[in-house]
Amino acid sequence: AQSVSQHNHHVILSEAASLELGCNYSYGGTVNLFWYVQYPGQHLQLLLKYFSGDPLVKGIKGFEAEFIKSKFSFNLRKPSVQWSDTAEYFCAVTEGNAGNMLTFGGGTRLMVKP
Amino acid sequence: NAGVTQTPKFRVLKTGQSMTLLCAQDMNHEYMYWYRQDPGMGLRLIHYSVGEGTTAKGEVPDGYNVSRLKKQNFLLGLESAAPSQTSVYFCASTSTDTQYFGPGTRLTVL
Repeated sequence: AQSVSQHNHHVILSEAASLELGCNYSYGGTVNLFWYVQYPGQHLQLLLKYFSGDPLVKGIKGFEAEFIKSKFSFNLRKPSVQWSDTAEYFCAVTEGNAGNMLTFGGGTRLMVKP
Repeated sequence: NAGVTQTPKFRVLKTGQSMTLLCAQDMNHEYMYWYRQDPGMGLRLIHYSVGEGTTAKGEVPDGYNVSRLKKQNFLLGLESAAPSQTSVYFCASTSTDTQYFGPGTRLTVL
């Protein structure tokens, strides 16, 4: 079965610091990759997604992620975080023919200090 | 266009009680999903539906039942609630490649 690992469970940064959150998945075939964000008390919102093409994907709010197939990774980055980026971030994967069934990582809780 | 809505937002049950969570979407999506979110475990799929009248088990289906009698609605039932079912429940829907999530239901079972 597919599994998704997010190794950073909690991250604390100061405003303007750079961010990189790790995501690794286990499936060796074709995958679709997603990053979702959950702001405090809110539902999950899509940050960005990768299906094919350029492995560097740009999403909303200045976030980007890079798909590295050889490392089974899809790390999320932002050059300069803001206090409003405080949230929980989830990496998720669907297998190529799995009918849109998402497998989520355990989440990374980011706190940005003003 | 309300997207995905869930009722209720909060609920407290006693062990052994039953309840139904309602998910509704107005985007004409074929696929609908129920997840539970627990600290440190991300979201885990309980049941899902690929169309009206069809349902299937996900990763953690035990203790839950679902029904999809209408395309726009997906119901999650707990017949006999247990404390282990204390969680936040999210519904999602999609027609192609991206799932859209509802606001969640926070359920506490005492």
